[in-house]
Amino acid sequence: AQSVTQPDIHITVSEGASLELRCNYSYGATPYLFWYVQSPGQGLQLLLKYFSGDTLVQGIKGFEAEFKRSQSSFNLRKPSVHWSDAAEYFCAVGDNYGQNFVFGPGTRLSVLP
Amino acid sequence: SQTIHQWPATLVQPVGSPLSLECTVEGTSNPNLYWYRQAAGRGLQLLFYSVGIGQISSEVPQNLSASRPQDRQFILSSKKLLLSDSGFYLCAWSNPPRLARTYEQYFGPGTRLTVT
Repeated sequence: AQSVTQPDIHITVSEGASLELRCNYSYGATPYLFWYVQSPGQGLQLLLKYFSGDTLVQGIKGFEAEFKRSQSSFNLRKPSVHWSDAAEYFCAVGDNYGQNFVFGPGTRLSVLP
Repeated sequence: SQTIHQWPATLVQPVGSPLSLECTVEGTSNPNLYWYRQAAGRGLQLLFYSVGIGQISSEVPQNLSASRPQDRQFILSSKKLLLSDSGFYLCAWSNPPRLARTYEQYFGPGTRLTVT
């Protein structure tokens, strides 16, 4: 079975600074990888996904993520953070059959003005 | 386009009372459906998933149950609520593997349940 870790529980950055949120996964085959964002009291919104091809994927709201098989990582990045990016971010991994979907514990992002 | 609805948005129920949360999906057929619970400040816990009408898989033993009476309707129920059932309940759908190359899940707006 697959698993996901997000080492950082809470990250604070200044508005305009760059951002990197870490995600490490465990899965025996090529995983399906996802990043979601959740604003307080809201559902989860899909930011981006990876399932094959180019290891650098672009998502919505200016986010990108890079799949590194050798490091079992799928880190989320944004070059310049906006105050509206303050939210909870979840990394998720799916198996090859679309039946099992595991979420990481989440990283809460705070943005300083 | 596909949309997912959940209701009610918020609910306050006394301990021992019954529960029924509803989720419906529009714009797709034969979706996989999921119920998650998110406790305060915690991650997502998968409670149930369904690959078709009447087909329910439970991930966590508890006093909750789920049903799928129609293709795009997913219901979460309890006969007697516990204090520990408080949380944020999220419904999600995904395309079944035979119809889609990727299996991302799309989430509803959630229901905030407080058991008093």
